[in-house]
This record gives sequence, C-alpha cells and structure tokens, in this order.
Amino acid sequence: ILNVEQSPQSLHVQEGDSTNFTCSFPSSNFYALHWYRWETAKSPEALFVMTLNGDEKKKGRISATLNTKEGYSYLYIKGSQPEDSATYLCATTSGTYKYIFGTGTRLKVLA
Amino acid sequence: NAGVTQTPKFRVLKTGQSMTLLCAQDMNHEYMYWYRQDPGMGLRLIHYSVGEGTTAKGEVPDGYNVSRLKKQNFLLGLESAAPSQTSVYFCASSYGLAGTVDTQYFGPGTRLTVL
Repeated sequence: ILNVEQSPQSLHVQEGDSTNFTCSFPSSNFYALHWYRWETAKSPEALFVMTLNGDEKKKGRISATLNTKEGYSYLYIKGSQPEDSATYLCATTSGTYKYIFGTGTRLKVLA
Repeated sequence: NAGVTQTPKFRVLKTGQSMTLLCAQDMNHEYMYWYRQDPGMGLRLIHYSVGEGTTAKGEVPDGYNVSRLKKQNFLLGLESAAPSQTSVYFCASSYGLAGTVDTQYFGPGTRLTVL
C-alpha cells in the first residue's frame, strides 16, 4: 500500500446498528494514525490519535484499534445514531510535517 | 476561543484574477497549514509554516503563495486564478509538527470557484 486508503467509501446503516470501517496505510515509516470526524459544512474534528501497535481508543460509542505491523486501523461505532452521520477521515504521519489523508468513509445513519 | 477562522467563506473569481485567503488562529500554535479538498481526493497540502516568518511547500504548491508575517495569521494567495484551482480550501494549525501526536485543528473552509 502506497497511500492511505479507506473503505468503504460510503455506507448507510439503520439507527441502532453497529458498524465499522477500515483505514489502510503503509506500515513503513509509520509514526501516528489520526481519526477525524467531518460533518457536512463543518471542519474536521479530531477523534483519536494512536501510535503503538495494539492501541485501542474509545470515546463514547466510538472506538478505534491500530495494527501497525499490517498497516490498518478500524473505527467502530456501536449503536449508530443519526447524529453520527458524517465523513470519517484517517490520516497518517511519518515523523515529518506531512499528514497523508485518506478520502474518507461517508456514513449515513437512517432514523 | 474562536479556534481557527477563515475568510472569506465563499468566493467566485474569473480566470486571471487574484485573491488572498486569510487564516487566523488564537491558540498560539506554531504550525499552520493550507490544504485543498477536491471530490474523490483526500486533503492535499499546499503550503505549511513551522513558525512566524517561515513557509514551505507542500505537495501541490504550484499557483499559490503564502505568508506568515504574524504567528496567528497564515495567508494563501492566488496570483492568477485558474479553473483548476476551484476547490474547497482548509486551513489548519497545530501546536507541534505533524509528525508528533499533536492534533490539527481545522478552519471551516473557503469554497472557491474560478470561472
């Protein structure tokens, strides 16, 4: 993997469903993995930053895991609510100025 | 705290016109960044600054210039706008360099259309 890739590009879930999506990244030169939540017409807001293999972070119903050896991170949302509808972005850094962003997963939670 | 603010929010230019986008942050952050966001692509870094009076090129710098005369402000200039510069522009700032665990804080974006 040369770039940061996110899958799926978009998904629709029913209110109350749990869901997860993936961020894949080059495992070489890895320093940190950031997750952002981006609501329409707003700016991205930070959710988590993770650095160590096996890291797990949790904020309310949202959690994330990190596997630096195989180059992926999962974001989980338990019991999705309409207010969870947003684009979820991940980005990696490699110890320099540069963030490399994925194209995001667009989540729509249907009431 | 206002966080990161951008002006203007929207702008329509004709090809060849010039304009300046202003980014301001009140968090005393050293590092500031300008990104563009285009459909189907991730945020791409145009220019960045690691402190007052310093600027550096990102991955897509052509056609843009920047200045950081004051720590709290980061200006992005388009000297001769082209339709390819139609995009949404985001400014961000962080306390530390991107390679640290420091989070970037984003402004609300400027939607620019070049006709």
